Amino acid sequence: AQKITQTQPGMFVQEKEAVTLDCTYDTSDPSYGLFWYKQPSSGEMIFLIYQGSYDQQNATEGRYSLNFQKARKSANLVISASQLGDSAMYFCAMRERETSGSRLTFGEGTQLTVNP
Amino acid sequence: ETGVTQTPRHLVMGMTNKKSLKCEQHLGHNAMYWYKQSAKKPLELMFVYNFKEQTENNSVPSRFSPECPNSSHLFLHLHTLQPEDSALYLCASSQDITHDYGYTFGSGTRLTVV
Repeated sequence: AQKITQTQPGMFVQEKEAVTLDCTYDTSDPSYGLFWYKQPSSGEMIFLIYQGSYDQQNATEGRYSLNFQKARKSANLVISASQLGDSAMYFCAMRERETSGSRLTFGEGTQLTVNP
Repeated sequence: ETGVTQTPRHLVMGMTNKKSLKCEQHLGHNAMYWYKQSAKKPLELMFVYNFKEQTENNSVPSRFSPECPNSSHLFLHLHTLQPEDSALYLCASSQDITHDYGYTFGSGTRLTVV
């Protein structure tokens, strides 16, 4: 079974609008961390936002927020006021502290295109 | 500039060549990682080093040989590779293997095996 599922291979959004990128995860580990990364065509993986499994509040970093619904095992990324430079591949990842040590398990990614 | 620098950015090598990928970080991190990103596949962890000691080898073929001489540098030595080894190889670092925050990636080396 896949541990990280990103069901949207591609998403389109108009500049200045908000967009939600979906991520669901599967783990029985009580302690885990969830990450979102942006990968432009240059290849670099850029860290965006992090949510720990015990964090009470949803994480926010500037225009990025994470809609963390623990019972549903979902960790959707919300990008507000989209910009042309947001066009990139977006990856959701998880670290299960007890069962997988230091490794991050990645989803297959969502290609976001921001239209002018 | 992410703080994790990988060289070279692009590499084309023949199947009989020997080459090395280099990763360097000056973030004060003690854990370093190699990941492989193949086309249309999620990133896969290859190796983990914590305080210069290898802590994970994710069943990687022996034609890939990692080396971590100190906490700031990580190498991936390549020999007798196959065309299916063509991929983007990403290095990452973190404070250590117990900390999530600050998991930082480099820009990657795009490897083509001909």
